[in-house]
Amino acid sequence: SQTIHQWPATLVQPVGSPLSLECTVEGTSNPNLYWYRQAAGRGLQLLFYSVGIGQISSEVPQNLSASRPQDRQFILSSKKLLLSDSGFYLCAWSHNTGELFFGEGSRLTVL
Amino acid sequence: SQKIEQNSEALNIQEGKTATLTCNYTNYSPAYLQWYRQDPGRGPVFLLLIRENEKEKRKERLKVTFDTTLKQSLFHITASQPADSATYLCALVINAGNMLTFGGGTRLMVKP
Repeated sequence: SQTIHQWPATLVQPVGSPLSLECTVEGTSNPNLYWYRQAAGRGLQLLFYSVGIGQISSEVPQNLSASRPQDRQFILSSKKLLLSDSGFYLCAWSHNTGELFFGEGSRLTVL
Repeated sequence: SQKIEQNSEALNIQEGKTATLTCNYTNYSPAYLQWYRQDPGRGPVFLLLIRENEKEKRKERLKVTFDTTLKQSLFHITASQPADSATYLCALVINAGNMLTFGGGTRLMVKP
């Protein structure tokens, strides 16, 4: 069966520090991969999606970036965090059937 | 632009009753619509998908309707249980790709 892992689960970072969140999928090949952000009490905002290695599309301009160095690995990064980057970050995968399968999330607090 | 609206106020119901959640959308004709459940601090979990040519979909105690004329989906949980308490999100899939646009979610509280 397919599984998705993302880490770290929680982190507290100072403003201006770098960020790296990692997500891996197991049990499937060539998945579509996504990074979403959820602010407190809000809906999910799509940040990046990828249909293949090295192929990244950005939905929202910001100081975040994403990379897909391997088929089942998706990384969310920032060189300098802002206070507004705080939130709950979710990685997800799908095939062309449409439904998304989410990881457990990474809660980021920027102080 | 596409807008998806769900009641932001929590829905409180008594155990055993039917919970009905609403999802309204504007300015688009989605190929299909999905519902997810999200527990606090967890990622959403896929529940049901309904296509534009389907009026109704059922899965155990769950029922989803899709009215493309009204641009509305209703999500029903029959014989609700306290364990059904969670936030429920609707999401639309666009034909151009598999990107989902999510509503803000409605929190359901089922009281024993």
